[in-house]
Amino acid sequence: DAKTTQPPSMDCAEGRAANLPCNHSTISGNEYVYWYRQIHSQGPQYIIHGLKNNETNEMASLIITEDRKSSTLILPHATLRDTAVYYCIVRVAPHSFLQGAQKLVFGQGTRLTINP
Amino acid sequence: DTAVSQTPKYLVTQMGNDKSIKCEQNLGHDTMYWYKQDSKKFLKIMFSYNNKELIINETVPNRFSPKSPDKAHLNLHINSLELGDSAVYFCASSHTSGRVNNEQFFGPGTRLTVL
Repeated sequence: DAKTTQPPSMDCAEGRAANLPCNHSTISGNEYVYWYRQIHSQGPQYIIHGLKNNETNEMASLIITEDRKSSTLILPHATLRDTAVYYCIVRVAPHSFLQGAQKLVFGQGTRLTINP
Repeated sequence: DTAVSQTPKYLVTQMGNDKSIKCEQNLGHDTMYWYKQDSKKFLKIMFSYNNKELIINETVPNRFSPKSPDKAHLNLHINSLELGDSAVYFCASSHTSGRVNNEQFFGPGTRLTVL
């Protein structure tokens, strides 16, 4: 799995958009970008994923650069409940039958603190 | 309507003991996982089962033995517990490969403390 680089911590004001960057310069053509988050003392929670197009769901938006070497997770209107560690993960095609395709490799993530 | 549940939530035990952690999912998934999160907060996969068959087995001491009696359950048995086994253990589940979106759903975790 390709390695990702994220800032260790970020702050954002409540109600503002939180933009979390992720570098994955060695990503392969068949690797997806996934984002999970872990709120204190809870299990990780899936947020969003994408291959090369920008994606949006009810939780967030994912912007992937054209060369796919970096991406940004956007929480459009951050709330205090969004305070968590956010993990950017790249992995082989999730619908592949390759062994280990299911494995999630977590890095250190970004500790996002939403301030009132 | 809990999706992925684990028992117990907390487990405190002495070194050398044998203990088990249980995991159950009611999402109809056929792949289940065990992850370990150590004191430095690194999350690492330990095992994965698909349809009761072991498909991922990371470098884990053989004191750790997963058991999957059926697709909805994946238990973790640990023999001869050591201080370094103290961690939070997370169970997760997902659909199998073949689906485009097979996000993993995590349980609430079991905090194991070995004294």
